[in-house]
Amino acid sequence: NAGVTQTPKFRVLKTGQSMTLLCAQDMNHEYMYWYRQDPGMGLRLIHYSVGEGTTAKGEVPDGYNVSRLKKQNFLLGLESAAPSQTSVYFCASTGGDGNYEQYFGPGTRLTVT
Amino acid sequence: AQSVAQPEDQVNVAEGNPLTVKCTYSVSGNPYLFWYVQYPNRGLQFLLKYITGDNLVKGSYGFEAEFNKSQTSFHLKKPSALVSDSALYFCAVRHYGNNRLAFGKGNQVVVIP
Repeated sequence: NAGVTQTPKFRVLKTGQSMTLLCAQDMNHEYMYWYRQDPGMGLRLIHYSVGEGTTAKGEVPDGYNVSRLKKQNFLLGLESAAPSQTSVYFCASTGGDGNYEQYFGPGTRLTVT
Repeated sequence: AQSVAQPEDQVNVAEGNPLTVKCTYSVSGNPYLFWYVQYPNRGLQFLLKYITGDNLVKGSYGFEAEFNKSQTSFHLKKPSALVSDSALYFCAVRHYGNNRLAFGKGNQVVVIP
């Protein structure tokens, strides 16, 4: 099992550009999450999904959109990137089977100039 | 609302000495608590969890954590620290009634040879 994978690993965008981050999991998990990690702020939840075709807002959803068209994939989109979105983005998943621990991808480091 | 506090930004410990990383929590309902570790440029890795049962929970890499309901704490411990334990440690608590986690800000652990 590859677990949770994220594409790309690094990206540099200019202000106003758009991009999509891809998260894939091969554990048949129902729940998937997108977080951002900033120094001194821990992990903050951007959006999450409780199953295929569903999405919901987390703590810091503004400026981001998500889609979960397939159970194994969870996409995070930035329509018009801003320097404040410079961060490390992590995807995670969990099975919802009573274990509750989340499994994390390796992260995407995004810089917006 | 569910939350965790990690009061220390950084913990310095000499190799071979006991290591303690502190976490206190605030929850509605029974607490489901987690510890994760993040090595440089990596995603978060699950260490251990408390859901129910014995207050002393054993996890990966020789770590353990003690759940204390009266003090609302879930401190992470290791009897003898290794240089390779130097990393960022996150405490997390499950949101009541769903599969979201609230993370603390993280503790940088530095083990000095």
